[in-house]
Amino acid sequence: GAVVSQHPSWVICKSGTSVKIECRSLDFQATTMFWYRQFPKQSLMLMATSNEGSKATYEQGVEKDKFLINHASLTLSTLTVTSAHPEDSSFYICSAGLGQETQYFGPGTRLLVL
Amino acid sequence: KNQVEQSPQSLIILEGKNCTLQCNYTVSPFSNLRWYKQDTGRGPVSLTIMTFSENTKSNGRYTATLDADTKQSSLHITASQLSDSASYICVVYGNTGKLIFGQGTTLQVKP
Repeated sequence: GAVVSQHPSWVICKSGTSVKIECRSLDFQATTMFWYRQFPKQSLMLMATSNEGSKATYEQGVEKDKFLINHASLTLSTLTVTSAHPEDSSFYICSAGLGQETQYFGPGTRLLVL
Repeated sequence: KNQVEQSPQSLIILEGKNCTLQCNYTVSPFSNLRWYKQDTGRGPVSLTIMTFSENTKSNGRYTATLDADTKQSSLHITASQLSDSASYICVVYGNTGKLIFGQGTTLQVKP
């Protein structure tokens, strides 16, 4: 149980385009979903926390207009990287929570912006 | 400042050998401590979760210990296998509602 999927698993795009990443909780309903970013040889950095039906809460330094988060249902959250640039290339990981303490991580999405 | 520090940063061992990874934290108040295994290009997978009242917890060949007084934890891997090659991340959950991540220890098991 507690499986979280992400789609796509990897994406290559041109600079200036927008990329959408989906995060789904497959066998449970997640009240909260979290989006992380991980650069090479670094640990996960929380970008934002989203609750179903409400606006996401962004961490300091994360541009909410650049990283659009939609949490339309208890099983789906999307992260859209708008006007992506090479510095946005990273490994994006979502997690779905049954509560604040319990987070199950997705397999991650590798984004490469050319 | 709430921090989680891990050592060593990287480690190379031979298959079949044991190893111990260290985690020190300053997170307060403290709720629980987790160890995750992250394979390259994959998301973290939980190995153990311990509350402040637990001293040790095992998951197969993985044994985690916790000393809440000294704010230290360790992850011991017994009889290492090639598939143990991964990053091991120590994560502390405090009452702020957020997970505090360590930088991870990269383990490489060689045949």
